[in-house]
Amino acid sequence: DAGVIQSPRHEVTEMGQEVTLRCKPISGHDYLFWYRQTMMRGLELLIYFNNNVPIDDSGMPEDRFSAKMPNASFSTLKIQPSEPRDSAVYFCASTFSGLLGTQYFGPGTRLLVL
Amino acid sequence: QKEVEQDPGPLSVPEGAIVSLNCTYSNSAFQYFMWYRQYSRKGPELLMYTYSSGNKEDGRFTAQVDKSSKYISLFIRDSQPSDSATYLCAMSTGNQFYFGTGTSLTVIP
Repeated sequence: DAGVIQSPRHEVTEMGQEVTLRCKPISGHDYLFWYRQTMMRGLELLIYFNNNVPIDDSGMPEDRFSAKMPNASFSTLKIQPSEPRDSAVYFCASTFSGLLGTQYFGPGTRLLVL
Repeated sequence: QKEVEQDPGPLSVPEGAIVSLNCTYSNSAFQYFMWYRQYSRKGPELLMYTYSSGNKEDGRFTAQVDKSSKYISLFIRDSQPSDSATYLCAMSTGNQFYFGTGTSLTVIP
């Protein structure tokens, strides 16, 4: 298996623009997680899905952030409008073992908002 | 107060040294404790997973949990240059996850 796939790997955009991050989980995994990582705050769980249904989005920082999972093999995290403080590395992870199973992380998307 | 506190380091040790990495937490509801390793520009990968207080050993790695003190540790014996990475502790109540900010470790040949 190719592992969790994320795109783009790098994104540079200007403040106010819409940003869409994409994730393809490992086939057969029924949980998908979105994280944000910064030096100051570390790794933060933003939202997770089970069987394509959002279960807990309490980590989503603001209404500017939204996430969807239209099918078992694809998820998006959208930021609209983007702000400089959204600059971070965004990770997607998936697992088939429930909430406490080993999470397999993608390589991340490095986002820089100017 | 953060849910999980972890000294960011950086920590630099000579090859062969014993490394001790630590995290403290405040939420007594945490029951599951994990250590992830993250190489530069990569996603984290699970290294160790423990449920109860006590020690769990896996090769050169030992995870230790002290629930009474709300303190967890990861020990690395005979450290190798390939162990150079950032180590993140993680804790879960079962439906909430929290990660530490990570400790950067460099093992010098």
